[in-house]
Amino acid sequence: DQQVKQNSPSLSVQEGRISILNCDYTNSMFDYFLWYKKYPAEGPTFLISISSIKDKNEDGRFTVFLNKSAKHLSLHIVPSQPGDSAVYFCAASGEGGGSQGNLIFGKGTKLSVKP
Amino acid sequence: DTAVSQTPKYLVTQMGNDKSIKCEQNLGHDTMYWYKQDSKKFLKIMFSYNNKELIINETVPNRFSPKSPDKAHLNLHINSLELGDSAVYFCASSQNRGPNEKLFFGSGTQLSVL
Repeated sequence: DQQVKQNSPSLSVQEGRISILNCDYTNSMFDYFLWYKKYPAEGPTFLISISSIKDKNEDGRFTVFLNKSAKHLSLHIVPSQPGDSAVYFCAASGEGGGSQGNLIFGKGTKLSVKP
Repeated sequence: DTAVSQTPKYLVTQMGNDKSIKCEQNLGHDTMYWYKQDSKKFLKIMFSYNNKELIINETVPNRFSPKSPDKAHLNLHINSLELGDSAVYFCASSQNRGPNEKLFFGSGTQLSVL
């Protein structure tokens, strides 16, 4: 049973435009959400996070929005750059996040930013 | 210097063999993890160690045995390899335990069991 879902396996965006990556979760006990970025042949790297007490967190070109009632979060990248092309993983944690509150990951969305 | 390094990067072996993957972190973190990314692309936790003590042991076959000689190292030994063990294995570390901790991942070990 997938507790964290990224329903779009891929997304293609033109350079300079906005990229919106979506993530849904099913467990209302999750209280912390993270986005990781992964390039081929590398491990995931932390990008941005948000606590459930907030609905928005911004870091430069990256903004994460959280809608707790809808159990939905999204990552906005604006403006998108070719170097942003990577797989983006959504992850959640909290009391409902498996043993010891470890991270539960989605399957990832592959973002391609075209010049 | 690579923060979390794991070796080997690629591992091709026959069914039934025993193999090990090594992981080292130079970040001074207290907690280390092993994650598995299977063919469906899910990243799932296998084990977590905090200061050499096993904290998380998800539903993983007994053929998988982690060993932490010190808090900077967490190795993964796999006995009697099976076809279904083929996956990418990621080592990771974090400063402390806890759901809000940011994980630092190694670059992964792609294991292919033939």
